[in-house]
Amino acid sequence: AQTVTQSQPEMSVQEAETVTLSCTYDTSESDYYLFWYKQPPSRQMILVIRQEAYKQQNATENRFSVNFQKAAKSFSLKISDSQLGDAAMYFCAYRSPNAGNMLTFGGGTRLMVKP
Amino acid sequence: EAGVTQFPSHSVIEKGQTVTLRCDPISGHDNLYWYRRVMGKEIKFLLHFVKESKQDESGMPNNRFLAERTGGTYSTLKVQPAELEDSGVYFCASSLLGTADNEQYFGPGTRLTVT
Repeated sequence: AQTVTQSQPEMSVQEAETVTLSCTYDTSESDYYLFWYKQPPSRQMILVIRQEAYKQQNATENRFSVNFQKAAKSFSLKISDSQLGDAAMYFCAYRSPNAGNMLTFGGGTRLMVKP
Repeated sequence: EAGVTQFPSHSVIEKGQTVTLRCDPISGHDNLYWYRRVMGKEIKFLLHFVKESKQDESGMPNNRFLAERTGGTYSTLKVQPAELEDSGVYFCASSLLGTADNEQYFGPGTRLTVT
């Protein structure tokens, strides 16, 4: 079974600075999808960014980018020019193409942004 | 367009009582998923509906949990009788059927507290 680990329960960043959230996973599959979800306080979880394992190029969405290291099974999220609205729980998730569409989540990282 | 909605947002019940959670997916989404996050741990998959059929219920913890999706629209998750360890946040998500990305859209969750 796949597992996803987020080793940083909490992180903080100064507004306008850059922060990197870590995620590692364990799988024997070669093809899969990886996701970062954001859950602001008292709001629903939204997709921030996704990465297909067969793509070597790291995904980027505006201020959000990933560092996907397939051999190391690492999938970190970099947030540039951090804004107060980035404060949230961030969840890393894995999806196998062979296990329906279920997502396997990490434990989450709470990001605080200091003004 | 309305997103995924869940009702109630918060439920407090005593051990041994019954609680029914409801999820209304995005209109037209045939895939519906239930997840839960217990005591600040990882978000865990419970089950997956495709329309009204249970595609995968491998994550259901025991037979005290019953999920239904009559008519392939909204879904209910009943816990009977509730135990203390059932406390947590129950998330519902939905997605389109047959798309390559299959992005899951999450509801705000129902926080269940069993005392």
